Order: sequence, then structure tokens, then C-alpha cells
Amino acid sequence: AQSVSQHNHHVILSEAASLELGCNYSYGGTVNLFWYVQYPGQHLQLLLKYFSGDPLVKGIKGFEAEFIKSKFSFNLRKPSVQWSDTAEYFCAFHMGRRALTFGSGTRLQVQP
Amino acid sequence: GAGVSQSPRYKVAKRGQDVALRCDPISGHVSLFWYQQALGQGPEFLTYFQNEAQLDKSGLPSDRFFAERPEGSVSTLKIQRTQQEDSAVYLCASSSAERVQPQHFGDGTRLSIL
Repeated sequence: AQSVSQHNHHVILSEAASLELGCNYSYGGTVNLFWYVQYPGQHLQLLLKYFSGDPLVKGIKGFEAEFIKSKFSFNLRKPSVQWSDTAEYFCAFHMGRRALTFGSGTRLQVQP
Repeated sequence: GAGVSQSPRYKVAKRGQDVALRCDPISGHVSLFWYQQALGQGPEFLTYFQNEAQLDKSGLPSDRFFAERPEGSVSTLKIQRTQQEDSAVYLCASSSAERVQPQHFGDGTRLSIL
């Protein structure tokens, strides 16, 4: 079955630290990949997406992700996190079936 | 506002009661999705509408779950004879005709079954 794995369930960082959240998917065909963010008390928002082309994707708020097809990965990165990045981050993919398949999420806590 | 609107935000029901959750998608959005998010988990797909047609209901966990979108706009998710395992956040998302992705999500309805 198609699935998404997020290996880090809870990450605690200090401000200005670098961030990398892992995401791996299991599907052999063409996929569209997404990172969504959910700030406390808010709805899910799109952070960035990959459909095709340049595998290094830049999103909002200084986030980027790299699609590595050979590793079935789509890791999220940010060179320097801020306290306001405290949120839950979800990796998701879509492969023809119209619904999204989500990972279980990573809770990021940034300490000032 | 211009986003996806869900009501109620919170719902508490006793086991065995029926509940109805409402979703108002973004105006003009053709596609509408329902997801269920259990505590500590990512959202899981329940069902998908394109206009008024329910094209995929493969994620509905049992025949107690029923969704409709009769006029291709507002949608209702109904759960009959609720069970404790139905406790979750129910998310609605919509997207435009041009691209099914990305989807725009509502704030969700947090359902608690006592």
C-alpha cells in the first residue's frame, strides 16, 4: 500500500539552528509531493509542493525541500529556524488518486 | 472569509447518537474532500466529491459514515450510531477545477464521543 513515513515525531531546536525533517514515500510511479504546516490553533497550510522539474523546491518562510527519486525522499529543510516556526509539519503525496496520503506528522518546537 | 468553513468547531456526543458535520468550501471549488485525523496522526482520506458526484468513498471506515454534497457546494458528513473510536478531528478540504492539488483546508471539527 502507498504510504508516507516521517521518521521524526518530535523535534526540539534552539532558534537559529538548522532544520531537516525526513520524509519517505512508498510508491513506484510518478508522484506529486507536498509539505503542509499546521501552526497552533490554525488550519493546515501549504508550505511547498513538487510536481515536476527542478527537484529543489523553495516554499514560503524560507523553507525548501529536495526530491530525491532514487531514495523516495522529500526532506524539508530550513537553514535557520525561528520561534514562529513552532508547528506540526506533515509530508503528503498524491499519485493520481485525487486524495492526499499524509505522514503522521512531526512536531517542531523551537526554543527562544 | 474566503477560506473553507467548517461547523461546528467542537462537537460532543454520547455513544450511539447521530452527528452531522458541515463543510462550506471555497466558492467555485469543484473538488471537496473529507479527512479524519486521529490524535497524533496525520489526516486520513475518507471521501471525495467532484461537484455533487461522490467519486471516491473508499476511505469511509464503515457504513455508519455517509457524506453528501447535493448541490455541489456545501457538504455534510453524517455519522450514525457513533462509537468512541469515531472521536477525531474531521477535516474538509477543497480545490479548484484547474488543479486538484493543492487542497485548501478548513479548521476542522473536533468530535468527542463519550
